[in-house]
Amino acid sequence: GAGVSQSPRYKVAKRGQDVALRCDPISGHVSLFWYQQALGQGPEFLTYFQNEAQLDKSGLPSDRFFAERPEGSVSTLKIQRTQQEDSAVYLCASSLETSVYNEQFFGPGTRLTVL
Amino acid sequence: RKEVEQDPGPFNVPEGATVAFNCTYSNSASQSFFWYRQDCRKEPKLLMSVYSSGNEDGRFTAQLNRASQYISLLIRDSKLSDSATYLCVVNRNSGYSTLTFGKGTMLLVSP
Repeated sequence: GAGVSQSPRYKVAKRGQDVALRCDPISGHVSLFWYQQALGQGPEFLTYFQNEAQLDKSGLPSDRFFAERPEGSVSTLKIQRTQQEDSAVYLCASSLETSVYNEQFFGPGTRLTVL
Repeated sequence: RKEVEQDPGPFNVPEGATVAFNCTYSNSASQSFFWYRQDCRKEPKLLMSVYSSGNEDGRFTAQLNRASQYISLLIRDSKLSDSATYLCVVNRNSGYSTLTFGKGTMLLVSP
């Protein structure tokens, strides 16, 4: 079956531009996560959705970052007024249930470069 | 202290070697533990979950020591295809499965 998909795969933005990154989780997966991975680092948590509810946004680095999942399936991560430090790979992951023991399936990521 | 600490490596080993990775974590409330594998410029993929009793999957053995807050991964009979970055991962919240990742340990297996 289809895995997690993300678009665009690559995005180049000029500093100050707004960007929107899309995530299509595996169908039926309740939990959806966004992570940010800088070069040479492990992924870092940004935000978590359980269906359409955003239960945790403690990892969002600033109020320029906003995420939504209005119908409990597709999610969008929006970054306003992009800065060079926002350059990273943004990974989306989904899991079937909410248990802490569930495997998370990752999408291929969106590589964002801010010039 | 970082929440999850790993030796970044790289570990350079010949084919057929046995190699061990270690990891420590700081959140004593963590309930679930994993090793993920990440190939260059690819997404992380689950290698195995880690249980207190220890668990084995083919050439891979994982151990968890809750008292010492220490996790290990042993790879026997290394293959060229094992070359990747291995991420030590723990859940960061008891209510749901948000994950905290280490920086990863790079393994390079040579012929």
